[in-house]
Amino acid sequence: EVQLVESGGGVVRPGGSLRLSCAASGFTFEDFGMSWVRQAPGKGLEWVSGINWNGGSTDNADSVKGRFTIFRDNAKNSLYLEMNSLRVEDTALYFCARERPWGYFDQWGQGILVTVSS
Amino acid sequence: VLTQSPGTLSLSPGERATLSCRASHSVSSNFLAWYQQRPGQAPRLLIYGASSRATGIPDRFSGSGSGTDFTLTISRLEPEDFAVYYCQQYGNSRLTFGGGTKVEIK
Repeated sequence: EVQLVESGGGVVRPGGSLRLSCAASGFTFEDFGMSWVRQAPGKGLEWVSGINWNGGSTDNADSVKGRFTIFRDNAKNSLYLEMNSLRVEDTALYFCARERPWGYFDQWGQGILVTVSS
Repeated sequence: VLTQSPGTLSLSPGERATLSCRASHSVSSNFLAWYQQRPGQAPRLLIYGASSRATGIPDRFSGSGSGTDFTLTISRLEPEDFAVYYCQQYGNSRLTFGGGTKVEIK
């Protein structure tokens, strides 16, 4: 059974930093691209960052460019999101998602909450 | 930009639901997916490639359309189908979602 389990969320002040982790199991992690998708409270879905199978190619939404960094450790079957210079508008539930070719998502974690507040 | 309509659809169990997703530019190769999100849960993939059902998705869910206009149809609503539905375009570097359609019990 495929499992994606996020961790590392919490409350942080504006301007602060946080690192999210996603532990993957039940599939060959290095065979898949991965992404982070977020959902602000009561709002819709927003793709945040994506990474290819070996970490050689990454991309970010304009809203987080220069502040968030996605990376992975295939030896640990783990995906990460380093978030710096956090803003109030980054408050959201962050999902780890497995990508299929060209970029749709067939497996999702349950999400981890990040709250940016003073 | 993906625009979903209506924002809310009020229907009874057993009725047919028709959800629309309109793109501001043509979606290449029909790279359009649909997801279902129940309250407190993660999204679940229903449809990819505009019309291909994901593994384990009942055949009452179907997707159609091409270019800029896409439709998700639920032939007969079951109680567990009352949820929010999102479309997503992919195939380029900017993956975008529509704003969602809530299907609620009338």
